[in-house]
Amino acid sequence: KAGVTQTPRYLIKTRGQQVTLSCSPISGHRSVSWYQQTPGQGLQFLFEYFSETQRNKGNFPGRFSGRQFSNSRSEMNVSTLELGDSALYLCASSLQGRLPKNIQYFGAGTRLSVL
Amino acid sequence: ELKVEQNPLFLSMQEGKNYTIYCNYSTTSDRLYWYRQDPGKSLESLFVLLSNGAVKQEGRLMASLDTKARLSTLHITAAVHDLSATYFCAVTAGGTSYGKLTFGQGTILTVHP
Repeated sequence: KAGVTQTPRYLIKTRGQQVTLSCSPISGHRSVSWYQQTPGQGLQFLFEYFSETQRNKGNFPGRFSGRQFSNSRSEMNVSTLELGDSALYLCASSLQGRLPKNIQYFGAGTRLSVL
Repeated sequence: ELKVEQNPLFLSMQEGKNYTIYCNYSTTSDRLYWYRQDPGKSLESLFVLLSNGAVKQEGRLMASLDTKARLSTLHITAAVHDLSATYFCAVTAGGTSYGKLTFGQGTILTVHP
């Protein structure tokens, strides 16, 4: 069974540009969550999508947005990039939240560098 | 707001020694997770703890949960070099927030020969 796939693995952008990251969940998983990981702030929740609807949102500015498609694949977009957006962006998928042992399985991440 | 604190943040151990990582969380949670992250890699699920008194063991790692104290521990027995990694605990607030994990700062574990 294929795991969570994130593309691209590495990105270099300049300030002011925008970027789109992609995440393909494990087959059958309907929930996709996004996290930002930085040395200073650690792992922070961005948002979660379930059945094409944003179900939870973290404390990030509106420049960070996402969506989910009918096949559960998800994208996140960051507009007007800032230097502080440089981070590892992790996507995680799970079956659905209410199952007792619902585990989020993480992809390898996209490392974004903003110059 | 749900907060999660781990200690210690850095742990340097000798092979063969035992040690415990602590994870405290601020409000009621019905699920606690432990993840491992190797340098430059993604997060690997180790344990999920669902109820008070839950104990899970895998190899040299054992995790436990005390929901009344809002405390989980990850005990390392007879450490070996392969256990060197960063360990995170994470909790969910429940309800419709199951898809939102709140992570601790992580404990960087280094096991020396």
